[in-house]
Amino acid sequence: RKEVEQDPGPFNVPEGATVAFNCTYSNSASQSFFWYRQDCRKEPKLLMSVYSSGNEDGRFTAQLNRASQYISLLIRDSKLSDSATYLCVVNRNAGNMLTFGGGTRLMVKP
Amino acid sequence: SQTIHQWPATLVQPVGSPLSLECTVEGTSNPNLYWYRQAAGRGLQLLFYSVGIGQISSEVPQNLSASRPQDRQFILSSKKLLLSDSGFYLCAWSFVGELFFGEGSRLTVL
Repeated sequence: RKEVEQDPGPFNVPEGATVAFNCTYSNSASQSFFWYRQDCRKEPKLLMSVYSSGNEDGRFTAQLNRASQYISLLIRDSKLSDSATYLCVVNRNAGNMLTFGGGTRLMVKP
Repeated sequence: SQTIHQWPATLVQPVGSPLSLECTVEGTSNPNLYWYRQAAGRGLQLLFYSVGIGQISSEVPQNLSASRPQDRQFILSSKKLLLSDSGFYLCAWSFVGELFFGEGSRLTVL
């Protein structure tokens, strides 16, 4: 089983739609969780951290479920510019060792 | 502010040729440094990380090596490239769990 698993997609949604991605992780001792965004042929960039209590940043909401070992990302009112690959990232220990999921590709259509 | 640079951005190399990718970080001292590889359509795979000068940890066995001759310099090398070494190589440094990536080096081995 991979340490961090994501549905690769692609998720094809119309503008204005709400879309959600899930990501599961295998190491129950994982301590920190993040969503990164990667545009085509570019480097990944941090989208948001995921806190135990859940957190929201504009149209984006991230949730953590430690019992089931998954994190989620919800995007409301999708924009064309949201089209990208979304990477789930887990810090596997107390250090700075981040493990990346394979990414979920989102395509927002007009 | 901190910046990270890596080069070259693109290179095409024949099988069996050597490789050297260089990464430098500015605006911070004693950073944790990382080399990741992303094969086409795949997630990021951690290759090497370094917590200080001369301190290199390898995550996967392969024909690549890394060196950190200076505090803010991280080099990825190979003596003889394989076809399977093709991919998008990303250097990164971390701060409080967040990774900051360079713009990447796209390697094609023919």
